[in-house]
Amino acid sequence: GQNIDQPTEMTATEGAIVQINCTYQTSGFNGLFWYQQHAGEAPTFLSYNVLDGLEEKGRFSSFLSRSKGYSYLLLKELQMKDSASYLCAVSTDSWGKFQFGAGTQVVVTP
Amino acid sequence: NAGVTQTPKFQVLKTGQSMTLQCAQDMNHEYMSWYRQDPGMGLRLIHYSVGAGITDQGEVPNGYNVSRSTTEDFPLRLLSAAPSQTSVYFCASSYDRRTYSYEQYFGPGTRLTVT
Repeated sequence: GQNIDQPTEMTATEGAIVQINCTYQTSGFNGLFWYQQHAGEAPTFLSYNVLDGLEEKGRFSSFLSRSKGYSYLLLKELQMKDSASYLCAVSTDSWGKFQFGAGTQVVVTP
Repeated sequence: NAGVTQTPKFQVLKTGQSMTLQCAQDMNHEYMSWYRQDPGMGLRLIHYSVGAGITDQGEVPNGYNVSRSTTEDFPLRLLSAAPSQTSVYFCASSYDRRTYSYEQYFGPGTRLTVT
């Protein structure tokens, strides 16, 4: 079957670093995407990886290892506004077809 | 640019009623998708389209129909509403052929309750 797994919840302190892991087993793979979703709002795109390695975008970085079926999202210099759900998604058989994980709720404490 | 727009924002239906959720994008994206989001279950793909005239089923297509007659519009039809279709529905678009970017943008969502 197809599976995308990520932890349910993580807590970290303001100013710290948090790493959200995502493992996947899917029928096809085009790319792995990360989204941020605040409560009651739509998801917003953060980054995506097609090839192995690290992609950096300001305070956010995403890493991919296709051979291990593994990705992580690194959030640096955490701010209170980073408290949100972070969704891992894989583009599978077609670039237009996505499968999402259940999301990781990140709670940032003062 | 308005991005991805959805109407209505909220809707209450009675069991057995039909309705269409509207979605439009003005970014000239090739791909459009419909998702539903239920508590604790993440986003699940209902139907998607890789271009005008081309649609395909996602993970949970039963009870829903789509069509894509133009690049901009991708309406979702509920044929006979059931309480199990109570959910938040998101439309999304992606793939800019000019920049080869696959970033996916979401509409604000439609909160549907079926009684």
